[in-house]
Amino acid sequence: GDSVTQMEGPVTLSEEAFLTINCTYTATGYPSLFWYVQYPGEGLQLLLKATKADDKGSNKGFEATYRKETTSFHLEKGSVQVSDSAVYFCALTLLSGTYKYIFGTGTRLKVLA
Amino acid sequence: DAGVIQSPRHEVTEMGQEVTLRCKPISGHDYLFWYRQTMMRGLELLIYFNNNVPIDDSGMPEDRFSAKMPNASFSTLKIQPSEPRDSAVYFCASSSVNQPQHFGDGTRLSIL
Repeated sequence: GDSVTQMEGPVTLSEEAFLTINCTYTATGYPSLFWYVQYPGEGLQLLLKATKADDKGSNKGFEATYRKETTSFHLEKGSVQVSDSAVYFCALTLLSGTYKYIFGTGTRLKVLA
Repeated sequence: DAGVIQSPRHEVTEMGQEVTLRCKPISGHDYLFWYRQTMMRGLELLIYFNNNVPIDDSGMPEDRFSAKMPNASFSTLKIQPSEPRDSAVYFCASSSVNQPQHFGDGTRLSIL
């Protein structure tokens, strides 16, 4: 079945370090891919998305490229800030027939000043 | 625009009591989703609706859980009777066709 696999956390980085959070997926069709972020005490917020192969989603300095050949959608940021500390979720949806989302287990990021 | 609104934000109740969680989706969205989040199991989809009709309730853990969507602007998730293992954060999310889901801030439920 369809699934999303994320690297386990927590990930602890110093401020201004480079961030990569790995995400790979398995899907029978052509999914759309998403990264959501969850700050403490809040719901998930859409961070970025990509709807087809080779698309690059970007927002707030974060980027992820839809790689069909490696079935991956890794999240990157060149220089993290303390305020980026949160839990990051990779997700996919097959937009034909059903709009169910499949979420990864989440990766906690902690950025130290 | 107002986002997805959930109430209450926190609920503490004793085992055996009925619990009702409420959700107001974003106006114009025709999909509504209920999720449960725990440390052990992460984020689980419980049920989702399209145009007020339940489409997939395979994630509802047992008959003690029920969800309704009487109109496009309101949904409830009920647990009766509640048990300590139901303690979790429950999220509601809404979306429209081909658009990402928007989440509410959740209801933190504690069953004593």
